[in-house]
Order: sequence, then structure tokens, then C-alpha cells
Amino acid sequence: GAGVSQTPSNKVTEKGKYVELRCDPISGHTALYWYRQSLGQGPEFLIYFQGTGAADDSGLPNDRFFAVRPEGSVSTLKIQRTERGDSAVYLCASSQSEGATQYFGPGTRLLVL
Amino acid sequence: GIQVEQSPPDLILQEGANSTLRCNFSDSVNNLQWFHQNPWGQLINLFYIPSGTKQNGRLSATTVATERYSLLYISSSQTTDSGVYFCAVGTSGSRLTFGEGTQLTVNP
Repeated sequence: GAGVSQTPSNKVTEKGKYVELRCDPISGHTALYWYRQSLGQGPEFLIYFQGTGAADDSGLPNDRFFAVRPEGSVSTLKIQRTERGDSAVYLCASSQSEGATQYFGPGTRLLVL
Repeated sequence: GIQVEQSPPDLILQEGANSTLRCNFSDSVNNLQWFHQNPWGQLINLFYIPSGTKQNGRLSATTVATERYSLLYISSSQTTDSGVYFCAVGTSGSRLTFGEGTQLTVNP
């Protein structure tokens, strides 16, 4: 079956602009996660959804970052007033249930100029 | 929060060699996964192994939860095994905490 998909694959924006990153989880997976990976490092947790609600958003770096999952499937990560330090690969993962195997998408490479 | 340490940070092998990658963690876990990140950045699941031993072809993994470590074994390495190997652990919640990875290079 289809895996986790993310769009766009690459996003180039200018400092101060607003961006939205989309994640389509594996069908039937109730849990959805966002991570961020900087060059040469392991992914870092941002936020976790169980169904429509954010069960843990403690990894969001500041209030410029926000994520939604209104129907319990697709999720959008929103970044306001982008900064050059936001440049990274944003990874989405989904799992069948909390604590189960997490499957990752290919990521969105964000570059803020 | 939980600390995850992977060793070695870099490993260079000749094709056909065997290797062992180690992951130490600082607290009890209810989730442990090994991933291979290929040169295009895709994280590929290798094992979900919070405890015990599993094998999949040339790869196998063992987690000794009571001693807070996990090992990933790669036998008869191939050039396509090159990439970064990550260990990631989860505790009471669902978030995974990743180690810094082991960069593996397999030369022909």
C-alpha cells in the first residue's frame, strides 16, 4: 500500500514569509508525528497527533510553528515569519497506534533565504 | 529527557565485511526502532525492537532492555548498505528520540 507522502518535496522561501507543509499518513494510521532534521543530525520531535488532537506539542520551538489535523488524516505544519534558522528537512511519520512502529515520509526540504 | 548515544559515529568497511553498531540509552523504553537513512534522505524502517532479538536477511538486532542498549548487526555488507543508521527510542509517550547516527561507508 501507499506510504507516507509529503508535499512539497522542496520549498524555497524568503525570510519573513509564511509556509505550509503537508503530510498524508498511511491510510488507517491514527497517530501522526512531525520531526525536523538539520544537516548532520538526527531528527528532532516537533509534535504528535492522536486523531484530530495534538497529544504532545512540546517539541515546537516557538509560537511561529503550528500544526493541524482537522479530520484526523492529513496534517499541515505551518510556519509564520520564517527565519533562516528554520531551514531543515521536515519529516512526517505515522503509526497504527500510539507506541507502534513509526513509518516516515520522504520529507520536505525547506530553505529560507 | 532521555539520552541516546550511538557508536561508532563513522565506520568504513570493505564489501563483504561484518559490522556491529551500538545504541545506548539512559532510561527505560517502550519503543526502540533502527532506521537506515539512504543517500536521498529517506528513513527506512529496519527493526521495531524494544526488547529481544530479530533477524531480517543479512541484518539482525538485539535489545537488552535491562542493560539499556541495542545492537544492530550487518553481515556480508554490500555497497547499498551505505548511509546513516539511526537508533530511536520512545518512553512513556509516543515521541521518538534519535541518536546522532552512525555513518556507514561500504567500499567495493
